[in-house]
Formats: sequence, C-alpha cells, structure tokens
Amino acid sequence: DAGVIQSPRHEVTEMGQEVTLRCKPISGHNSLFWYRQTMMRGLELLIYFNNNVPIDDSGMPEDRFSAKMPNASFSTLKIQPSEPRDSAVYFCASTSRAGNTQYFGPGTRLTVL
Amino acid sequence: DQQVKQNSPSLSVQEGRISILNCDYTNSMFDYFLWYKKYPAEGPTFLISISSIKDKNEDGRFTVFLNKSAKHLSLHIVPSQPGDSAVYFCAASAISSGGSNYKLTFGKGTLLTVNP
Repeated sequence: DAGVIQSPRHEVTEMGQEVTLRCKPISGHNSLFWYRQTMMRGLELLIYFNNNVPIDDSGMPEDRFSAKMPNASFSTLKIQPSEPRDSAVYFCASTSRAGNTQYFGPGTRLTVL
Repeated sequence: DQQVKQNSPSLSVQEGRISILNCDYTNSMFDYFLWYKKYPAEGPTFLISISSIKDKNEDGRFTVFLNKSAKHLSLHIVPSQPGDSAVYFCAASAISSGGSNYKLTFGKGTLLTVNP
C-alpha cells in the first residue's frame, strides 16, 4: 500500500496568494483528518471528514481556510489569502474507522513570505 | 491551555540503556492514549497505545504505563537503539458525544537521541 500521499511536499508562496494542499488517503479508509504543526502550538486537528462529509471543523483557524473532500480518494485544504503566520507543516491522516489508528502522510511544509 | 504536556523537549540516552519518555494530561475525560514516533521529513507513525482500563501495555521493546490518578503516562524503550532516535508524541482522546474518539490531542513532542 502506498500510504497517505500528500502534495506538494514543499510550498513557498507570497502573502496574499492562494495555496492548495492535496491529500490522497489510504484506499478503503473512510475517515480523513487535516492537522497543522507549528513550534508554538504543536500538532493541531484542523478538520475531520467521515465518508467525505465534514464532521468537525472547529479547529479551522478562520474563514481563510477551507477544506473539501469531493470523493473518497481526494481532499484539499485551501488557504486564501495566505499570511506569514500560516507557515507550518500540514499533515493529512486517514483511518479505516473513526477511533482507529490514524495513518499520517509525509506532510506539506508551507512557507508564506 | 495545553491538555497534553510533554515537559522534556529532549532526551539523550546511551545505546542499550532504557529510555523513559513522560507525558502528563489534564483532561479527565481522556480514556485512550497513544504514542507516535516521527522521523524528520516524515509524518508521525503509530507506535503503541493504551486504554484507560489498563495500566500497562507492552509491545516488544516498547511499554506504556498509565497512572490515571496522577494523569501521567510514560513510554519505556528497552533496550534503546540508535534507530529509535526520533521525536515522540504523546496523544490522547476521549469518547465524543457521537460515540467515537476520533479527536487526538497531541503533546509537543520529545526528541530522543540514542547515542551509539
């Protein structure tokens, strides 16, 4: 199995630009999570999807952030407009059932200048 | 307010000795605890977990101990190997009102270095 796939692995952009991060969960997994890791706050859950439906988006920092899961094999996290404080590593994780072990992707390191 | 705390940012041990990583939590609703290991440029990988109905869980060289009264858990690695050098995250979850415990709250991690 290929594991959770994330793209791009690195993204450098300028303040105000739109950023789109992508995730392909493990085949057969129906729960997907987006996390953000920063030095100050550690790993934080941004949003959780179950069967492609957003269940908990209470961790999404503000309206500039949005996430979609149009089908079981693809999800996006979009930041529009991006700000320097959004610089972080963003992880996607999936699991076969909520509450089971979460498998993480390699992450996308985002730098907003 | 941090609900899961790993107070030691780093730990250095000699190969073959025991590594003990500690984690404290404040939320008494947490009933499931996990340790994840992370290498540079990779995502966290699951290592071991423990339910609140147990006080110990063992898997090979890795043992997790849970002290509910102290709201403390620890990960023991015996014997430590250089390949164990990584960042270790403690995480906790609670059964939600919907009946699932999907939401993991992570500590900030401890960097373990095992010296040959």
